[in-house]
Amino acid sequence: QVTLRESGPALVKPTQTLTLTCTFSGFSLNTSGMCVSWVRQPPGQALEWLALIDWEDDKYYKTSLKTRLTISKDTPRNQVVLTMTNMDPLDTATYYCARRQGGLTGDAFDIWGQGTMVSVSS
Amino acid sequence: SYELTQPPSVSVFPGQTASISCSGDKLEDTYVTWYQQKPGQSPVLVMFQDSKRPSGTPERFSGSNSGNTATLTISGTQSMDEADYYCQAWHSSTLVFGGGTKLTVL
Repeated sequence: QVTLRESGPALVKPTQTLTLTCTFSGFSLNTSGMCVSWVRQPPGQALEWLALIDWEDDKYYKTSLKTRLTISKDTPRNQVVLTMTNMDPLDTATYYCARRQGGLTGDAFDIWGQGTMVSVSS
Repeated sequence: SYELTQPPSVSVFPGQTASISCSGDKLEDTYVTWYQQKPGQSPVLVMFQDSKRPSGTPERFSGSNSGNTATLTISGTQSMDEADYYCQAWHSSTLVFGGGTKLTVL
């Protein structure tokens, strides 16, 4: 069974750096075509893609947030970490990680985590 | 930056056909994916590569992509289909989501 679970602080202060961890099971990021991505959703708003890392350690970022985002993977620990610097109240959102396996489901995110809510406030 | 445009809302009576559009420049040149999201839940994949249903997606869901518009169609809409729907596409090595469409089953 494939699962992903996000973890991190529920509250951060403006200007701080957010670090989120996606811990997954049921697949390996060593497998060709496998990717993990981060997506966020402010309350009552649409999904917003943030970043993606693939099995070859290639990384892709939302252009407008590229200077603030870093995505990395720890393959033996089955984890993907997202850091976002200089947090602002507008970054308040539920943050999801999701898997893209390529192959059977192409470039779609076939499995999503439950999400973790992050509030930015002083 | 590339944008995908969806209607904010679509309403349909039970048993009728719902069509949700997603528009973007030369959208047919890339694959479109669709997700369903119910309140308080994570998104769920319902359509990928324009018109392919993952296992678990009912056959009443279908998809198409031509020109600048992709469409998710739900035939014989049921009350359980009431949700937000998001389209997604890759463009220039970045991923874009549409603004989402709230489907209301009247």
